[in-house]
Amino acid sequence: ELKVEQNPLFLSMQEGKNYTIYCNYSTTSDRLYWYRQDPGKSLESLFVLLSNGAVKQEGRLMASLDTKARLSTLHITAAVHDLSATYFCAVDKGDTGNQFYFGTGTSLTVIP
Amino acid sequence: DTGVSQDPRHKITKRGQNVTFRCDPISEHNRLYWYRQTLGQGPEFLTYFQNEAQLEKSRLLSDRFSAERPKGSFSTLEIQRTEQGDSAMYLCASSYYNEQFFGPGTRLTVL
Repeated sequence: ELKVEQNPLFLSMQEGKNYTIYCNYSTTSDRLYWYRQDPGKSLESLFVLLSNGAVKQEGRLMASLDTKARLSTLHITAAVHDLSATYFCAVDKGDTGNQFYFGTGTSLTVIP
Repeated sequence: DTGVSQDPRHKITKRGQNVTFRCDPISEHNRLYWYRQTLGQGPEFLTYFQNEAQLEKSRLLSDRFSAERPKGSFSTLEIQRTEQGDSAMYLCASSYYNEQFFGPGTRLTVL
């Protein structure tokens, strides 16, 4: 079964700092997604990465995909408090009708 | 509101009772998915439909779980003879291409 690992699981960072969240997965896939979840809320789609080398940016967040290394990164630039949330990556094997396998999530707290 | 909707948002039930949850997808989306999320974990895939056909159900947690999508529109997820371990958030998502859009979820508490 496809396994998806994120690290770190917990991240506390100061406002204005940069950091990267890593998502590793165990089998070939060229479709990876990042979601944000606020406490008690559902998942909000952030990025859709559909090919090797894909890079997407939105505000202070940038996501990239390296399918050969089976690795995606979510880079946070100059963090602000509003980015505090749990971030999940999800991998789609592609042969199972978009059956997503989610990582365990990274809980991010941005300290003023 | 044109997003995915779920009903009820919260359900408290006693062990052994049956519960049913409803999901209304985004109207033009032909695929619908059910996930379960327990505290501190990522969502876990349960089943999915393309139109009215249930194309994957091997990952339903047990034979107590079943799902339907009559006429390819809304879907229901039923859990029979609930157990305390069924307590979780049940999420529905829909898609047309690759990206899945999630509903607000139904939080189930089994006493």
